[in-house]
Amino acid sequence: EDQVTQSPEALRLQEGESSSLNCSYTVSGLRGLFWYRQDPGKGPEFLFTLYSAGEEKEKERLKATLTKKESFLHITAPKPEDSATYLCAVPGLSTLGRLYFGRGTQLTVWP
Amino acid sequence: EPEVTQTPSHQVTQMGQEVILRCVPISNHLYFYWYRQILGQKVEFLVSFYNNEISEKSEIFDDQFSVERPDGSNFTLKIRSTKLEDSAMYFCASSSGTNTGELFFGEGSRLTVL
Repeated sequence: EDQVTQSPEALRLQEGESSSLNCSYTVSGLRGLFWYRQDPGKGPEFLFTLYSAGEEKEKERLKATLTKKESFLHITAPKPEDSATYLCAVPGLSTLGRLYFGRGTQLTVWP
Repeated sequence: EPEVTQTPSHQVTQMGQEVILRCVPISNHLYFYWYRQILGQKVEFLVSFYNNEISEKSEIFDDQFSVERPDGSNFTLKIRSTKLEDSAMYFCASSSGTNTGELFFGEGSRLTVL
């Protein structure tokens, strides 16, 4: 059973058009939720860690939020360089660093 | 900025052959990982390594796979007898351990099994 579900699978935005990506999770006793960015042919790049409902983190045009059931990655006034696949992940129960990734949302921002 | 480096970037091999994928993690990191991503699929955990031993392995990491840290800098993944379904991008990652989910990934090694 998938622990992390992301939507939409793909999103096309015009430059400057703000939107949100969703990550819902089914694990109980969440020990963190993580957002990564992945460019084509590259490894994931860490963006944010969220630990508790109500927590928010920001980086440039990105803001991640967390509720008890889901997380959102809000993209404000995106630019073409924000085009990438955005992945969310939750940790396993046992080992530090074992992450369960979602399938990601492929974001395309066109000028 | 420190980074995880992986070699080769792309390897093509025949089914049944052995392959070794190499990684140089960030120098002061203590935890090392291999993940893989089949084209169009999720990034999947293979194995974690700490203090010179495997901490955890997934169901994917069967007897055909092994990992080794032969010296103070390299971390390798060996696949003894490759299968067609081993074709994927293999990512090495490392972490300091202070943030559970902050892993630093390399750019990956693309393995193509013919």
